[in-house]
Amino acid sequence: DAGVIQSPRHEVTEMGQEVTLRCKPISGHDYLFWYRQTMMRGLELLIYFNNNVPIDDSGMPEDRFSAKMPNASFSTLKIQPSEPRDSAVYFCASSFTSRGRNEQFFGPGTRLTVL
Amino acid sequence: GQQVMQIPQYQHVQEGEDFTTYCNSSTTLSNIQWYKQRPGGHPVFLIQLVKSGEVKKQKRLTFQFGEAKKNSSLHITATQTTDVGTYFCCRLRGNTGKLIFGQGTTLQVKP
Repeated sequence: DAGVIQSPRHEVTEMGQEVTLRCKPISGHDYLFWYRQTMMRGLELLIYFNNNVPIDDSGMPEDRFSAKMPNASFSTLKIQPSEPRDSAVYFCASSFTSRGRNEQFFGPGTRLTVL
Repeated sequence: GQQVMQIPQYQHVQEGEDFTTYCNSSTTLSNIQWYKQRPGGHPVFLIQLVKSGEVKKQKRLTFQFGEAKKNSSLHITATQTTDVGTYFCCRLRGNTGKLIFGQGTTLQVKP
């Protein structure tokens, strides 16, 4: 299995630019999660989907952030316009929720730097 | 909120020493999961505990779930440099599939 795939692995951009992060979950998984990790705030859940439908976006910082999941094998997290405080590692994770086991599989992350 | 609290936040040990991290909740937990994140890496699932008083072992790692299902611990016997990383406990929120992560305990091991 390839695991959860994220791209790009590193992104450096200038303030005001649009940033799009991509994620391919593990085939067959019905949940997809977007997290942000910083030293100051730790690991934060931004949004998650169940069967491609957004369930909870209460963690999305503000309107500059948006996420989509057009099909079961692809999701994007977009920041427009980006700001230096958005610099963080963004993780995508997926899981198959069954009785007794709900482990999440994380991708390698995208390290975003906004100058 | 319904966070899980982890202590300590940081721990430095000499290689060969034991290490324990604790996870506490003010409410009863249906389950607890533990993840490990190596420096520069991503969180990796270690184990899930669901039963009151449950104890599970993975080689040098021992995981416990409290009798009241409000706390959990991870104990590492005779630490090695490969144990370096941040250990997170988290709880599953109802049937949502959503995990609530603790702040993590970062372990440093001096060779």
